[in-house]
Amino acid sequence: EAQVTQNPRYLITVTGKKLTVTCSQNMNHEYMSWYRQDPGLGLRQIYYSMNVEVTDKGDVPEGYKVSRKEKRNFPLILESPSPNQTSLYFCASSFTSGSYEQFFGPGTRLTVL
Amino acid sequence: GEDVEQSLFLSVREGDSSVINCTYTDSSSTYLYWYKQEPGAGLQLLTYIFSNMDMKQDQRLTVLLNKKDKHLSLRIADTQTGDSAIYFCAENTQTGANNLFFGTGTRLTVIP
Repeated sequence: EAQVTQNPRYLITVTGKKLTVTCSQNMNHEYMSWYRQDPGLGLRQIYYSMNVEVTDKGDVPEGYKVSRKEKRNFPLILESPSPNQTSLYFCASSFTSGSYEQFFGPGTRLTVL
Repeated sequence: GEDVEQSLFLSVREGDSSVINCTYTDSSSTYLYWYKQEPGAGLQLLTYIFSNMDMKQDQRLTVLLNKKDKHLSLRIADTQTGDSAIYFCAENTQTGANNLFFGTGTRLTVIP
């Protein structure tokens, strides 16, 4: 089944404790991105990757890192999480950066205490 | 920058039509989308429309685009309780970032 998976789905952590949220897609998509969803703000793009080893900042990249060592995986790294990073995170992928449709993962709900 | 606006809430009775509205600011948008988010789930692409189209119909869904007023709407005919969800309008300017700019989402509640 073609899908985007994220792990974990739920995470509660404390300020400053490094964490990684994984994202994987099995559709051989070149383009992957991360969004965060906050009440009243919709979804905002954090980082995106147009292909392996090619990443760039989205609209709200501060406090996040990403890597794209393999085509299928695009982990989101929070080196020192803070409470303002409490949010619902979505990974998305598309065939290329010009594709009209992006496929979204199920989301990761992160709480930073 | 891009700004996409929606009203936050909409309630309709089962069987009635729902109309969810959206306004956007970027006239260079190539695609405009409607996504559905059910509780605890990711985003599901419902439908999209190219910016050179005025209308698109897909079963119970009708999308209307007024490019002059930068207004997009989604009409759901014969609304069912399973349509209760948050609906997001989004635009895509097809830059290298392929960034979707989302509205705040409209929570649709269908009353039995």
